[in-house]
Amino acid sequence: DTEVTQTPKHLVMGMTNKKSLKCEQHMGHRAMYWYKQKAKKPPELMFVYSYEKLSINESVPSRFSPECPNSSLLNLHLHALQPEDSALYLCASSQAHGTEAFFGQGTRLTVV
Amino acid sequence: RKEVEQDPGPFNVPEGATVAFNCTYSNSASQSFFWYRQDCRKEPKLLMSVYSSGNEDGRFTAQLNRASQYISLLIRDSKLSDSATYLCVVLSGGSYIPTFGRGTSLIVHP
Repeated sequence: DTEVTQTPKHLVMGMTNKKSLKCEQHMGHRAMYWYKQKAKKPPELMFVYSYEKLSINESVPSRFSPECPNSSLLNLHLHALQPEDSALYLCASSQAHGTEAFFGQGTRLTVV
Repeated sequence: RKEVEQDPGPFNVPEGATVAFNCTYSNSASQSFFWYRQDCRKEPKLLMSVYSSGNEDGRFTAQLNRASQYISLLIRDSKLSDSATYLCVVLSGGSYIPTFGRGTSLIVHP
């Protein structure tokens, strides 16, 4: 089973809202990732968690706040987003940081 | 110069054709390489890892050329269902930061 589950699949939020994206995997993977993907562009790395600790933050604005409550879960808290933050947000996990990663189906976010 | 470069295409080929894509990388210390496919409005799916000795999975063959700093993906006997964007991923540096190429679009037509 190489399943990474993301919820919700679609989200529309206003610029003053607070929302959270959720990601779950039960493969025993110890690395988890958040990516942002705009149309016709490759995924851009946002954050990497390794063994539940934040190991990489690719200079992401503070309106995006990641959280790793345990080894199976990864959240992305959103606050005061801008319309240009509208994108597909992808979660991925890998056995360890540096090995092949498996992606969830993504959350399609629209900021209005 | 971008770290990871791919020809965006599209590559337009008939069913049954053989097609090959390359992906060049700039960091000679890169350690891990992968090919993913992504269908429109879907998530990337791992196609294959790329090992130093090359690897093959059915109609798909991936190779690594460290001297020239590129990886390749060969698809034999193309199917309509192979139509997708093919993304290469390179992991570099001590922190293994994954970098995606911009992807190569493949269209297989009847």
